[in-house]
Amino acid sequence: DQQVKQNSPSLSVQEGRISILNCDYTNSMFDYFLWYKKYPAEGPTFLISISSIKDKNEDGRFTVFLNKSAKHLSLHIVPSQPGDSAVYFCAASDGNNRLAFGKGNQVVVIP
Amino acid sequence: DTEVTQTPKHLVMGMTNKKSLKCEQHMGHRAMYWYKQKAKKPPELMFVYSYEKLSINESVPSRFSPECPNSSLLNLHLHALQPEDSALYLCASSQIGVGGNQPQHFGDGTRLSIL
Repeated sequence: DQQVKQNSPSLSVQEGRISILNCDYTNSMFDYFLWYKKYPAEGPTFLISISSIKDKNEDGRFTVFLNKSAKHLSLHIVPSQPGDSAVYFCAASDGNNRLAFGKGNQVVVIP
Repeated sequence: DTEVTQTPKHLVMGMTNKKSLKCEQHMGHRAMYWYKQKAKKPPELMFVYSYEKLSINESVPSRFSPECPNSSLLNLHLHALQPEDSALYLCASSQIGVGGNQPQHFGDGTRLSIL
């Protein structure tokens, strides 16, 4: 049973525009959420996280929004750059050092 | 550049071989992890070490044997693996914070192929 779901497996966006990635979760015990970026032949790179006590966290071009009542989070990348082309994983933790990952979204930024 | 270093990057072994995967971090993190990732799938947790003690084993077969010799090193000993064990093996580390909510930082993985 997948506890973290990422639909729309791929996204293409024009350079300079906004990329929006969505993630839904089912476990009410999750209280910490993360986004990772992964290039081919590399491990996942931590991008940004958010605690369940917040509804927004921003770091440069990356902003994560959390809607606890809907069990939904999203990652906004603006402006999108060609180097952002990668697979993005949503992950969630219930505080016991276990991370549950979504299946990932492929993002392609078109120059 | 990743701050979690994994060696080797690639490993091909037969089903009767014994080999080890190594992971090293110098960020002062006291939690270390092994994950397995199959193609087009998300990483799956295998083991968690906290303060050099095994704290989580996700029902991993005994042909995988983890070891944490010190706070900077994590090994995964492999013996009598099966072809379905072919995958990317990722190591990660994190600080241990209040409630455990700290980001995990990953190495680039070892690509393992079992013949």
